[in-house]
This record gives sequence, C-alpha cells and structure tokens, in this order.
Amino acid sequence: GAVVSQHPSRVICKSGTSVKIECRSLDFQATTMFWYRQFPKQSLMLMATSNEGSKATYEQGVEKDKFLINHASLTLSTLTVTSAHPEDSSFYICSARPDMGGEQYFGPGTRLTVT
Amino acid sequence: EDQVTQSPEALRLQEGESSSLNCSYTVSGLRGLFWYRQDPGKGPEFLFTLYSAGEEKEKERLKATLTKKESFLHITAPKPEDSATYLCAVRGNRDDKIIFGKGTRLHILP
Repeated sequence: GAVVSQHPSRVICKSGTSVKIECRSLDFQATTMFWYRQFPKQSLMLMATSNEGSKATYEQGVEKDKFLINHASLTLSTLTVTSAHPEDSSFYICSARPDMGGEQYFGPGTRLTVT
Repeated sequence: EDQVTQSPEALRLQEGESSSLNCSYTVSGLRGLFWYRQDPGKGPEFLFTLYSAGEEKEKERLKATLTKKESFLHITAPKPEDSATYLCAVRGNRDDKIIFGKGTRLHILP
C-alpha cells in the first residue's frame, strides 16, 4: 500500500516552454501533497504544500507564478513549470500524506532537463 | 529553528560489517522522526516513524532508535543491496512540514 506515482519520469524541453508533472496517490486519498526539488548529492528542498481544493502554500524563495501547483482531487496534484529555463533543470519529487501528522510517501521523481 | 544533522556524510562498509548512522535533531515539540532510504535517481522510500524517546522499530537488517536529541539507524550484517542514501527527517509542532537532513551515503562492498 501507500504508492505514489509520478508522470513523466523524464522530460526534456526547450527553454521558454512549459512542462506539467503529475503526481497521483494510487491506493489512498491524500489530504496533503508536497512538491520537492533535489539537486545532485543534496537533500530534498520543499517547494510547496498543497491541500485538496485550496491554494498551495509556497516556501520562501519559490516563485508561485513560475511553479504552478494544482491539487484538483484527493488523488492528484500537478506541478507546472512555466517558461522553463536551464536553471530549472532538476529532479522534482512529489509526496503525499493520507493523514494529518502521519507519514509522507514519495513518488519516484521526475528528471527535468531544459535545453 | 528546527534542524537535522546526519553523520557521517558517507560510509563504506564491508559486507557483514555492522554499523550505525546518526541523526541529531533540534525541534520544537517532536511530532515524528522519519527514516527514508533513497536510491540514485529515485524518490525516498519510507522506512520508519518514531514518536517518543525510547521507541525502537525494526525491519529486516535495520533498526531505528530514538532519544530526546538523536536517532540511530543500526544496520546489522549489511549486504550490497543495502547501499543507498539514508535520510532522516523530523516534524515539529511549529508547522506541518518535515525537515530533512542531508543524508548518509552508505556503500556496502561485497
């Protein structure tokens, strides 16, 4: 149980285009979902927290107009990187939590490369 | 400010050589200490949650323990497939976020 999927696993896009990443909780309903970014050999950096049906809460320094998050249902959240630039290239990982204060389960990650 | 420090940064062991990974933390009102395993190019895989000092949890060759200031992840007779980065994280009562340490890269030599 507690499986989280992400799609796509890898994406290459050209500078200036937008990319959407989907995160789904497959066998549970997630009241809260989280989006992280990870650079090589670094730990996870929280970008934003989203609750179903409400606006996401972004961490300090994360541009909300650039990283659009939608938590449309209890099993789906999307992250759209708008007008991507090479510096946005990174490993993006989503996480979902079934219960308030409980464990978070992570997706397999999406490797974004912007050329 | 909530903080998590993991040591060592990297550890190389021979197969069968037991050891421990350390996670020191400062947090306002601990509401959970979490251990995850992360393989290269993958998302973290949940291992354990500990809530109070004295608590212990085990899974196969791994055992996690918790005191008021730190947690240990003991690995007994490790195998090469245990090679991974092990992440420690805490949630306090300040907010809903979990704070991650930088991880310990564990390499088990056959």
